[in-house]
Amino acid sequence: EAGVTQFPSHSVIEKGQTVTLRCDPISGHDNLYWYRRVMGKEIKFLLHFVKESKQDESGMPNNRFLAERTGGTYSTLKVQPAELEDSGVYFCASSQTEMSEQYFGPGTRLTVT
Amino acid sequence: AQKVTQAQTEISVVEKEDVTLDCVYETRDTTYYLFWYKQPPSGELVFLIRRNSFDEQNEISGRYSWNFQKSTSSFNFTITASQVVDSAVYFCALRPDSNYQLIWGAGTKLIIKP
Repeated sequence: EAGVTQFPSHSVIEKGQTVTLRCDPISGHDNLYWYRRVMGKEIKFLLHFVKESKQDESGMPNNRFLAERTGGTYSTLKVQPAELEDSGVYFCASSQTEMSEQYFGPGTRLTVT
Repeated sequence: AQKVTQAQTEISVVEKEDVTLDCVYETRDTTYYLFWYKQPPSGELVFLIRRNSFDEQNEISGRYSWNFQKSTSSFNFTITASQVVDSAVYFCALRPDSNYQLIWGAGTKLIIKP
């Protein structure tokens, strides 16, 4: 069974540009989560989807971040316009139910210059 | 407050030594879950264990063992007879029952020298 996959693995963009990160969860997992780790800080929760619905987006830092999960399968996280402080590693995770353990993808390293 | 503290930033031991990674948590929820994840140099976060707040039994899985003590709000992780392949960053995380987001510790970088 394939694990959680994320694309791209690394993205380097200039300040002010737009970047879209993609996450494909484990097949059959209704729950999808986004987290990020900016340099020197803890991993922080961004948001949680149950199927295509946003269950909790309390961790989204500001309105430059937009997450979607059309059809309840893969999810995208768009940053527009990107700022220097957005640099970090963005992790996606999925779980079968809200109660079960979350399995993580390899992360996308975003560098904003 | 909901918080996880991993006070050890980095630990370095020689192969075959035992090593314990500390994790202390704070939560106002009576029901909660604790996790350990491993992040090898390749970068992915690998799930190791989940423990719920009603189960204080220690768990052993091969060379790995976990000691959960509610009295001290700790969930420590011990690797017995460490190996070079155990070198990684290890994260402890808390999930309160009131929501489904993981609250993470800062991680402990474990270096196992041959």
